[in-house]
Amino acid sequence: AQKITQTQPGMFVQEKEAVTLDCTYDTSDQSYGLFWYKQPSSGEMIFLIYQGSYDEQNATEGRYSLNFQKARKSANLVISASQLGDSAMYFCAMSQGRGGSQGNLIFGKGTKLSVKP
Amino acid sequence: NAGVTQTPKFRVLKTGQSMTLLCAQDMNHEYMYWYRQDPGMGLRLIHYSVGEGTTAKGEVPDGYNVSRLKKQNFLLGLESAAPSQTSVYFCASSRGGTNTEAFFGQGTRLTVV
Repeated sequence: AQKITQTQPGMFVQEKEAVTLDCTYDTSDQSYGLFWYKQPSSGEMIFLIYQGSYDEQNATEGRYSLNFQKARKSANLVISASQLGDSAMYFCAMSQGRGGSQGNLIFGKGTKLSVKP
Repeated sequence: NAGVTQTPKFRVLKTGQSMTLLCAQDMNHEYMYWYRQDPGMGLRLIHYSVGEGTTAKGEVPDGYNVSRLKKQNFLLGLESAAPSQTSVYFCASSRGGTNTEAFFGQGTRLTVV
């Protein structure tokens, strides 16, 4: 069965420092996508970054990068130069790759990141 | 740019009452989804639709029904609400496929008393 595991329920980071949020996944599919979403206290889900299973290079979007290690089935999110506005819940998600369910996202339980001034 | 719009944003129901949550998207997406979010559980898929007139069950479909009569709308119904359905409900849409992100609505906070 497909599964996403985020082992860090909560994390603290000092402002301006980098932080890594862990995500491991389990799937038997060859084609899949990995996503990170941010959920601030206001509640909306904000898409941050995407990595495809066939992408050889790690994805980057501004201060966000995804450390993709396919053999280890990990897709960690790295946030560089943390800002106070980065304080939020972060969810790792994987898209299912079979038949009519392509595009369905499976989510991890999330990591609550707190940035300290 | 409306994106994905959910109505209502908040609702309190009594046990046994029924209600319908409406989701509308203006991005011409084929795929639409309903998720529920509970503390410590992440988001779990209730039902989804891969196109107008189609629906399918997700991970936690019991107690819910859905309809997709128009491509832009996806309705989630609770026929007889139970306290266990107290949750935050999110609608999302996407182009489908493994390489496209889903766009989410603002969420509906439902309390069943």
